[in-house]
Amino acid sequence: GQQLNQSPQSMFIQEGEDVSMNCTSSSIFNTWLWYKQDPGEGPVLLIALYKAGELTSNGRLTAQFGITRKDSFLNISASIPSDVGIYFCAGPNSNSGYALNFGKGTSLLVTP
Amino acid sequence: EAGVAQSPRYKIIEKRQSVAFWCNPISGHATLYWYQQILGQGPKLLIQFQNNGVVDDSQLPKDRFSAERLKGVDSTLKIQPAKLEDSAVYLCASSSDRYHGYTFGSGTRLTVV
Repeated sequence: GQQLNQSPQSMFIQEGEDVSMNCTSSSIFNTWLWYKQDPGEGPVLLIALYKAGELTSNGRLTAQFGITRKDSFLNISASIPSDVGIYFCAGPNSNSGYALNFGKGTSLLVTP
Repeated sequence: EAGVAQSPRYKIIEKRQSVAFWCNPISGHATLYWYQQILGQGPKLLIQFQNNGVVDDSQLPKDRFSAERLKGVDSTLKIQPAKLEDSAVYLCASSSDRYHGYTFGSGTRLTVV
């Protein structure tokens, strides 16, 4: 499947700071998804992007579908302690339906 | 709406033993997926079902892994015999063929010793 590279691998920030993370693909995607995973839980969808250049917000989260269709960005503004978790980008698995390929994740730690 | 149910939550077995995981998807979701998540990695697709038929099992190690979805509802994933490298969280997800309806269960954490 397609390779998804996420950076940074981890982030350690103070409450109130803004956060940026990104994901690049070895091939073109027509959909980008961003998930958050809390310890002991499955990933939960945060934002879905369907068009190149699209910018979508969900509360304090904003994600963008890169115009090259090979990258995507997630920003979190004014971080709070409950933002702690692992953030994954994902794109369609080219082999089947709505199955997904995931990046390795960005681990976010927020200190009060 | 009830979520995707998985059991057990945790399982510890010795290598070469067998183990089975169970998943009950969201009612009405035709598509069911099993993913394997190794520590420090993102989930990796093992198998996808559409109703009770297999859509994609290209990444399922078929010499030791098997999965079924009888009657197009519940699904079982089995490993026989287990290896140390099978230690991971096994996530089940279901969807109604839309990304927004794509829901993961809490997973089963398998430790092979």
